[in-house]
Amino acid sequence: QSVLTQPPSASGTPGQRVTISCSGSSSNIGSKSVFWYQQVPGTAPTLLMYNNDQRPSGVPDRFSGSKSGTSASLAISGLRSEDEADYYCTAWDDSLSGVVFGGGTKLTVL
Amino acid sequence: QVQLVQSGAEVKKPGSSVKVSCKGSAIINRNAIAWVRQAPGRGLEWMGGSIPLFGSVNYAQKFKDRLTITADESTGTAYMELRSLTPGDTAVYYCARNLDTSMPYFDYWGQGTLVIVSS
Repeated sequence: QSVLTQPPSASGTPGQRVTISCSGSSSNIGSKSVFWYQQVPGTAPTLLMYNNDQRPSGVPDRFSGSKSGTSASLAISGLRSEDEADYYCTAWDDSLSGVVFGGGTKLTVL
Repeated sequence: QVQLVQSGAEVKKPGSSVKVSCKGSAIINRNAIAWVRQAPGRGLEWMGGSIPLFGSVNYAQKFKDRLTITADESTGTAYMELRSLTPGDTAVYYCARNLDTSMPYFDYWGQGTLVIVSS
């Protein structure tokens, strides 16, 4: 049971916009920055979004992040086949004094 | 180019220990390093990380009693040692550079080390 809650799966067709949600609490998302990681199966995760809505260099602007209260979202517009991967949200948790992750969302491009 | 290179796969018996290395030279000596694991078919799990500013380590409560994270500045290598292994510790273990120890800001990752615990 993960501290942050994500839908286990999401899907879309090429060109569509998809959104992945991440729900937490006041001790994590509600008071801390949210980060998102993309993981292609069999490879290490890569940083996709930091400080809620900031993209690292090299991440296309098709990816965007947002946060409101104790929830965060990752949106992917203009969906492409190479976006098929697992996506994880994460944040620091003050109650646990550590990093917590969502369970991950498997994105399928139909 | 920033690189973190981890040691190779290991097969361990229940009750034993494993020590995984993560070599990154200047990265290791100047930055915090976090350890994250991923059991087969499961999600990511933070284990702990170094806090160079205070010369300390922060461990996840779950691993506090059997995990040790260290670094050898002379070789630019970080280590993660997990003791009292059980089959439930079978996972890929990753090291990652942590740009801010108060948040999961992991910008570079090692390639991962598979640890299999089996009798």
